[in-house]
Amino acid sequence: QKEVEQDPGPLSVPEGAIVSLNCTYSNSAFQYFMWYRQYSRKGPELLMYTYSSGNKEDGRFTAQVDKSSKYISLFIRDSQPSDSATYLCAMTNFNKFYFGSGTKLNVKP
Amino acid sequence: NAGVTQTPKFQVLKTGQSMTLQCAQDMNHEYMSWYRQDPGMGLRLIHYSVGAGITDQGEVPNGYNVSRSTTEDFPLRLLSAAPSQTSVYFCASSPGQLNTGELFFGEGSRLTVL
Repeated sequence: QKEVEQDPGPLSVPEGAIVSLNCTYSNSAFQYFMWYRQYSRKGPELLMYTYSSGNKEDGRFTAQVDKSSKYISLFIRDSQPSDSATYLCAMTNFNKFYFGSGTKLNVKP
Repeated sequence: NAGVTQTPKFQVLKTGQSMTLQCAQDMNHEYMSWYRQDPGMGLRLIHYSVGAGITDQGEVPNGYNVSRSTTEDFPLRLLSAAPSQTSVYFCASSPGQLNTGELFFGEGSRLTVL
């Protein structure tokens, strides 16, 4: 069983839509949860970072962590064509990181 | 600051050849790591280092060696390349030895093993 499972998509939405991206995980020791965004042929870049359970908001982006269900989510409000990318969830319990397989998002103008 | 620099960007090898992927960072980060990214598999940790002289294995270390003689550099060596090592390789760094999530990635090195 993989440590982190992520819906692969692809996901295609119209501009302005609300996007929901999700991951589940199996290791209850994970404490830190992240979302990275990766544009084609580029390295991933950190988008959101959350410690333990709860919500975190940054502009149009909201990250949620539910440790009791081992489930994390990223919501994108008012999605823009520039949001088109692959989104990777990741988690760690110090030094060893485990990534989801990534969800490819296409926001159509 | 250049950030994390990886060389080469592209490489084609024949089975059995050896090579080194270079990674350098100019942010004085203690933590450095190597990942491989394959379709449908996401990023998988190969090796990591929490400081000069200290390295440890990740999820998929077989066939790869690393060393960390300086804070800035963390080369990844393929001892005898195999077609299964065809992948995109990413180097990433983070400030501090206790890494809690903020990885800075290089642009990647695309390796094809024939």
